[in-house]
Amino acid sequence: QQQVKQSPQSLIVQKGGISIINCAYENTAFDYFPWYQQFPGKGPALLIAIRPDVSEKKEGRFTISFNKSAKQFSLHIMDSQPGDSATYFCAASHSNTGNQFYFGTGTSLTVIP
Amino acid sequence: DAGVTQSPTHLIKTRGQQVTLRCSPKSGHDTVSWYQQALGQGPQFIFQYYEEEERQRGNFPDRFSGHQFPNYSSELNVNALLLGDSALYLCASSLALQQETQYFGPGTRLLVL
Repeated sequence: QQQVKQSPQSLIVQKGGISIINCAYENTAFDYFPWYQQFPGKGPALLIAIRPDVSEKKEGRFTISFNKSAKQFSLHIMDSQPGDSATYFCAASHSNTGNQFYFGTGTSLTVIP
Repeated sequence: DAGVTQSPTHLIKTRGQQVTLRCSPKSGHDTVSWYQQALGQGPQFIFQYYEEEERQRGNFPDRFSGHQFPNYSSELNVNALLLGDSALYLCASSLALQQETQYFGPGTRLLVL
């Protein structure tokens, strides 16, 4: 059972455009929602994270929007750059189980010049 | 300050063999989690070690076992390898008091023939 569902599977965006990746979850006990960026041959790197007590968090060009009632959250990459081309994973965890991460299936982002 | 390191980087084994993967956590971190990432998929949680004990375990068979040493480094052992065990094995470290912030290593790519 996939605890976190991620879409789209792949995304192509023009340089300067906005990239949007969506995730949905079922378990209302989740209390931490990170996004990871992974380049080929590398491990995932923490990009930005949010807790359910806020609806939005912004760090530079990256923004997480969180909708607790809909059990959905999304990553927005503003002014997308070719260097942003990577695979992005959303994840969710809950503190009462040692913060075991449940990852989405990933989105391959390609930013074309 | 070294981040999370893993060894070896690549490994080729045959079915039925046993394998040991190693992880050194980020300096100061005391908790190590292991994940399996199949090609094109998100990481799947295997287990987590803290104070040399397995604290959480995901849905993996007993063929997967681990160990944590007094210096917080960790090993992942897989017995009776199957073709389906071919994957990238990721180690993530964190602080027990800040478990949600996990830093991943580059992984070990295991190929089972």
